[in-house]
Amino acid sequence: ETGVTQTPRHLVMGMTNKKSLKCEQHLGHNAMYWYKQSAKKPLELMFVYNFKEQTENNSVPSRFSPECPNSSHLFLHLHTLQPEDSALYLCASSQDDGRRANYGYTFGSGTRLTVV
Amino acid sequence: KNQVEQSPQSLIILEGKNCTLQCNYTVSPFSNLRWYKQDTGRGPVSLTIMTFSENTKSNGRYTATLDADTKQSSLHITASQLSDSASYICVVSAGSGGSNYKLTFGKGTLLTVNP
Repeated sequence: ETGVTQTPRHLVMGMTNKKSLKCEQHLGHNAMYWYKQSAKKPLELMFVYNFKEQTENNSVPSRFSPECPNSSHLFLHLHTLQPEDSALYLCASSQDDGRRANYGYTFGSGTRLTVV
Repeated sequence: KNQVEQSPQSLIILEGKNCTLQCNYTVSPFSNLRWYKQDTGRGPVSLTIMTFSENTKSNGRYTATLDADTKQSSLHITASQLSDSASYICVVSAGSGGSNYKLTFGKGTLLTVNP
């Protein structure tokens, strides 16, 4: 375990379903991230939270809705997804204190999402 | 535009052999460069991280080099093992201070080690 835990590991959902992905970090980091990883593409940053506040949204469609109730937990709520949203969704955390660049950047194991 | 290019896209080697993966970047201002190993269906795991002043760093059988002048990095794997089969991703961090650091990811090199 890396200290960043993601659940579930696998998820199959229909296009009309609502589901949520969960991420929890036990590293004492203040920043958390959601990434999308599609086949043969670089990781795509979706959202950034720093001290529970969203600091970045990379033009992500509104069918993806993040929630960060505290610095240790991050959720990604999914609603009316499309088949092209099928991918590996990775959560990461880091200590971003302004003096060191993304110190201790750590990824979770990801959730493999399949939209049918 | 910040970019990270990795080569080769994929590589097949025999167990016990050495190999070298390449990473070229155009990221400014440069802060640090990381190599990650990603097993299939898992998240990336950090292997090395190098700042501007470091030109080599080792982690067991993995040795990364950095040439900040030519903006190139390599990851050398010695005496490969079957468990080295994975995707290796080069990641460059840009930023000049504060909390506004951005990571640029390469597409990765898929390494397969055969017995």
